[in-house]
Amino acid sequence: GESVGLHLPTLSVQEGDNSIINCAYSNSASDYFIWYKQESGKGPQFIIDIRSNMDKRQGQRVTVLLNKTVKHLSLQIAATQPGDSAVYFCAENLYGQNFVFGPGTRLSVLP
Amino acid sequence: GAVVSQHPSWVICKSGTSVKIECRSLDFQATTMFWYRQFPKQSLMLMATSNEGSKATYEQGVEKDKFLINHASLTLSTLTVTSAHPEDSSFYICSASPLAGASGQFFGPGTRLTVL
Repeated sequence: GESVGLHLPTLSVQEGDNSIINCAYSNSASDYFIWYKQESGKGPQFIIDIRSNMDKRQGQRVTVLLNKTVKHLSLQIAATQPGDSAVYFCAENLYGQNFVFGPGTRLSVLP
Repeated sequence: GAVVSQHPSWVICKSGTSVKIECRSLDFQATTMFWYRQFPKQSLMLMATSNEGSKATYEQGVEKDKFLINHASLTLSTLTVTSAHPEDSSFYICSASPLAGASGQFFGPGTRLTVL
């Protein structure tokens, strides 16, 4: 789809608290999802992925939840740290075709 | 492992000139490489997909004569922005996948293009 100039939604959390970043995806047939972290002026960095046959996947300090009924993904970050401050994108993929990225959420960690 | 580099990291050019951006997979062979463009405060938009030795597949609305993509080897793809104009100023990001298709792609650090 075409890009529209958007003001990135921002989530501000206190250092040490848990963060939950949400994403609505567009294609109910998408079968693979990835969360990326992008720091200013850098390329996206892989955080965690999940396939559509799973509802939850855990990594180190991060958990991804997938709700296929409402086409919703969430990324939970435990004990948020200053280094977690970045823009987070979800991306959906269908049968190995191109990824479609969500609009992104800026996470700001407050001291 | 799975490192992707881009060169240059930042380029400033005059309007009307052409700029070449390189994307290299440093420790794996990239069957497929992708080029994205990202405007400030926006998400990544896929421009084109290239497979080694074949013509790139461009997304709708992306001018293939303006954004020339060459994927001459399994470790190198180049994007040439021809006759650049200020509206082409953006952050260009490549990614590479060792597999056919988009799964498991690794992103480069991006190249910031500023056209004066």
